Amino acid sequence: NAGVTQTPKFHILKIGQSMTLQCTQDMNHNYMYWYRQDPGMGLKLIYYSVGAGITDKGEVPNGYNVSRSTTEDFPLRLELAAPSQTSVYFCASSYGLAGGRGDTQYFGPGTRLTVL
Amino acid sequence: AQSVSQHNHHVILSEAASLELGCNYSYGGTVNLFWYVQYPGQHLQLLLKYFSGDPLVKGIKGFEAEFIKSKFSFNLRKPSVQWSDTAEYFCAVNAMRVGTDSWGKLQFGAGTQVVVTP
Repeated sequence: NAGVTQTPKFHILKIGQSMTLQCTQDMNHNYMYWYRQDPGMGLKLIYYSVGAGITDKGEVPNGYNVSRSTTEDFPLRLELAAPSQTSVYFCASSYGLAGGRGDTQYFGPGTRLTVL
Repeated sequence: AQSVSQHNHHVILSEAASLELGCNYSYGGTVNLFWYVQYPGQHLQLLLKYFSGDPLVKGIKGFEAEFIKSKFSFNLRKPSVQWSDTAEYFCAVNAMRVGTDSWGKLQFGAGTQVVVTP
């Protein structure tokens, strides 16, 4: 299994541009998550999904959109990029919601995004 | 909403020294507790987790953590660190109570950067 994969690994975006960060998992997990990691701030949940067609906002959803058309894929879209969205973005997945049975979240390698 | 506090942002220690990283959370109900590690240039990996049973949890690479419910703490320990333990360590918590806005979502601490010198 490849686990959770993310593309691209690095990207530089101009202010106002849009882009999609890709995330794919091959573990048949129902639940998928997008986090951003900023220095000294830990990880903040942007959006999550409990299954294909079902998504919900996390702690910091503004400026982002998601969709979940398949179990495997959970892309994150940035519309009208702003410098405040410069961050490292991590996708994660788990079999069940992390709230139940202590399910482990498996993380992808991250996408380092810079908005200039 | 719950919060997670990690007491130290940076820790520098020599090889063979003992390590203890503090983690406190604010939620009063039943919780699941996790420690994740992020080695330089790599993604987060699970070190250990607690969701019930023995409050002393053993994880990978010689790490252990103790859940003290009365202190709302889940401190990470390793008796003797190695240079390869240089990494950032994150404590994470999620509430077990369905219906709270924290249910099913991990709340991460800010992280502790650990540097082990040879």
